[in-house]
Amino acid sequence: DVKVTQSSRYLVKRTGEKVFLECVQDMDHENMFWYRQDPGLGLRLIYFSYDVKMKEKGDIPEGYSVSREKKERFSLILESASTNQTSMYLCASRLPGQGYNEQFFGPGTRLTVL
Amino acid sequence: AQSVAQPEDQVNVAEGNPLTVKCTYSVSGNPYLFWYVQYPNRGLQFLLKYITGDNLVKGSYGFEAEFNKSQTSFHLKKPSALVSDSALYFCAVRGGGYSTLTFGKGTMLLVSP
Repeated sequence: DVKVTQSSRYLVKRTGEKVFLECVQDMDHENMFWYRQDPGLGLRLIYFSYDVKMKEKGDIPEGYSVSREKKERFSLILESASTNQTSMYLCASRLPGQGYNEQFFGPGTRLTVL
Repeated sequence: AQSVAQPEDQVNVAEGNPLTVKCTYSVSGNPYLFWYVQYPNRGLQFLLKYITGDNLVKGSYGFEAEFNKSQTSFHLKKPSALVSDSALYFCAVRGGGYSTLTFGKGTMLLVSP
């Protein structure tokens, strides 16, 4: 089974802190994604990566950056955390293809910024 | 642009009754359509997908979905609901010219005993 793990289930940070959210997948998937999930808004794509060293902006990249130094690891960085970044963050991975392969999700990190 | 609408925030159904969770989409070209489920405090799990071919798609846990091109819909169905089906359900679409999925806002399904 594909396993996608995220470094923390719950995280509490202060405004202005730099925050790192780590995601690791064990199935050699090229494609990886970061979403945030907010009630009433569903999932919104922050950044994605189709291969090592590659990154693309999603729908809401402002205030975030990412790093993909190794194929299995995709990190989301909040350069200076703000209260409006309090959310559930979900990482996903997928085999490459024509966009019809399903994504596999991690358990999520619930981030609270005080 | 591509978009997904899940018109119901919540669906209530009694155990043993059939259930339907609605999804409509808007894309250019042929769509790839997905349903995911999220149990409390968990990530999303893939249920089923439509790529091409038969309009009725069968997935995990006894769920199925019907692709209707003329109505641009992809409703999720199950003949007999279980209390354990209670969860948050997301529909997602990828259309022509897009490399990523667009998710709906989710529908909470509550199955009462």
